[in-house]
Amino acid sequence: EVQLVESGGGLVQPGRSLKLSCVASGFTFSNYGMNWIRQAPGKGLEWVAYISSGSSYIYYAETVKGRFTISRDNAKNTLYLQMTSLRSEDTALYYCARKFPPGVFDYWGQGVMVTVSS
Amino acid sequence: DIQMTQSPASLSASLGETVTIECRASEDIYNGLAWYQQKPGKSPQLLIYNANSLHTGVPSRFSGSGSGTQYSLKINSLQSEDVASYFCQQYYNYLTFGSGTKLEIK
Repeated sequence: EVQLVESGGGLVQPGRSLKLSCVASGFTFSNYGMNWIRQAPGKGLEWVAYISSGSSYIYYAETVKGRFTISRDNAKNTLYLQMTSLRSEDTALYYCARKFPPGVFDYWGQGVMVTVSS
Repeated sequence: DIQMTQSPASLSASLGETVTIECRASEDIYNGLAWYQQKPGKSPQLLIYNANSLHTGVPSRFSGSGSGTQYSLKINSLQSEDVASYFCQQYYNYLTFGSGTKLEIK
């Protein structure tokens, strides 16, 4: 069974940093591109970042470019999102999601909450 | 950036009814469109991709159609477990989501 389990969220002050993790199981992690997608409370979905299976291709939404860094460790079956210079508008539930060709998301984690507030 | 305009924002229908949700792209997305269902308190689940391909395990009462800039999701014979929010997503050029449609039972 495919499982994606996020962790690392919490309450953080504006301007500070936080690192999210997503541990994958039930599939060959190193064969799949992975994404971070977020959902502000009561709002819609916003794609945040993508990393290809071998980390050769990385893309970011304009809203986080230069502040967030996506990475992965295929030996540990783990996806990461390093978030710096956090703003109140980054407050959201962050999901990791597996990429299913041609560019959609077939498995999602349960999400981890990030709250940016003083 | 491609903008996705989804309608209606909310919808109330009776059990057994057929409902349709629309999504309009700001430019041609060449069938690069997916639909997701998000039940209350849960993660989104993929329903449809390539505008009309049903994802594995999704009931056949769900169907997608459209082309160019106009796409729709149809749910036949509405059931209580279909209460959810539905989102469209384009993947022709980067990735953007529609604002969602909240479906309730009347």
